[in-house]
Amino acid sequence: KNEVEQSPQNLTAQEGEFITINCSYSVGISALHWLQQHPGGGIVSLFMLSSGKKKHGRLIATINIQEKHSSLHITASHPRDSAVYICAVREGAQKLVFGQGTRLTINP
Amino acid sequence: EADIYQTPRYLVIGTGKKITLECSQTMGHDKMYWYQQDPGMELHLIHYSYGVNSTEKGDLSSESTVSRIRTEHFPLTLESARPSHTSQYLCASSDKATDWADTQYFGPGTRLTVL
Repeated sequence: KNEVEQSPQNLTAQEGEFITINCSYSVGISALHWLQQHPGGGIVSLFMLSSGKKKHGRLIATINIQEKHSSLHITASHPRDSAVYICAVREGAQKLVFGQGTRLTINP
Repeated sequence: EADIYQTPRYLVIGTGKKITLECSQTMGHDKMYWYQQDPGMELHLIHYSYGVNSTEKGDLSSESTVSRIRTEHFPLTLESARPSHTSQYLCASSDKATDWADTQYFGPGTRLTVL
């Protein structure tokens, strides 16, 4: 079992739908990151969380430290949101453990 | 403890200078990464390499370049440093074959200040 588990692994939705991607982890962490990788490989860091909630535009990320769980939400989804979304947790100063990624496809 | 090293740990330089940040690992890992992170902010992947002579841009806006001539060495170069390059630069490596579901081991970082 991976230390970081994402669900679902694949998600297809219609434009406009509210999207939720989940990340659960089994270790103590100092921070959790959400990353986005578009087709063609460019990787963008979306959020770094150590508690609570953050919002950038249509993206919202939450983390519950007690439950060892984080969610990434996309409101009013759009085809340009189609990408792989990756959760990664920071264990101390020297380890970053990645989930397997969630492939999101938004159809027009 | 991870065997991955970065030099220098701290660097203060003037605008326009060319600099190279060094990263070496003795774990025999094929995959290496450079990240940029400001205090309390998101981690930005700026370059990665899956092996010798393989390099890819992470964040396409990065102005730096990298090379991978030897497995253990992954230097990052800024041809002409600017104040906007002031940040912490973190090097990491991993040995997994897959793109994700991976564990990366980080060096101590280089804190760069460009005046």
